[in-house]
Amino acid sequence: DGGITQSPKYLFRKEGQNVTLSCEQNLNHDAMYWYRQDPGQGLRLIYYSQIVNDFQKGDIAEGYSVSREKKESFPLTVTSAQKNPTAFYLCASSIDPRGLYNEQFFGPGTRLTVL
Amino acid sequence: SQQGEEDPQALSIQEGENATMNCSYKTSINNLQWYRQNSGRGLVHLILIRSNEREKHSGRLRVTLDTSKKSSSLLITASRAADTASYFCATDLYNFNKFYFGSGTKLNVKP
Repeated sequence: DGGITQSPKYLFRKEGQNVTLSCEQNLNHDAMYWYRQDPGQGLRLIYYSQIVNDFQKGDIAEGYSVSREKKESFPLTVTSAQKNPTAFYLCASSIDPRGLYNEQFFGPGTRLTVL
Repeated sequence: SQQGEEDPQALSIQEGENATMNCSYKTSINNLQWYRQNSGRGLVHLILIRSNEREKHSGRLRVTLDTSKKSSSLLITASRAADTASYFCATDLYNFNKFYFGSGTKLNVKP
């Protein structure tokens, strides 16, 4: 089965903690993306990566960090610097790193709640 | 402000009726895509229309694109209760590698 997996499905964080969300794909896609979705709203881009060992900030990168050491994996760390991290986090990938004429495949999401 | 915005924010119809959602954007694009999201799930790609195309069909879906008005519409014909979901348009910024999603239209199809 090809696709994108995200884990965990639900994550609870205490104030001041860093947490890491996992995203793995076996679609052999070059580009991967992290989005944040708040209730009743659209998706906002946090980080994206077009190739291994390279990534770019999106529109709301502050308080987040990523790595891209392997083509299949693009983990997102939500640091204590992110003041309002409670949200639904979605990972996506696409085959074309130029982002032209291609669709994004999404994982099932991780719901992060700060206690 | 976001690149793409959907209208209406919410739409409630009876099964069998057609549903039309609109998307407006602000700058030139390479392509526009429509996605569907069931509650609490990831997004699923529905259809992609390129800037040089005016209309595209996929099953019960029909998408139009008017680049002069910077707008697109998604028509779902003969809707079913299973079509109940949120629908988002996504646009790129011409020559960039990022996609911008609107805030979505929440469609409720009553059986």
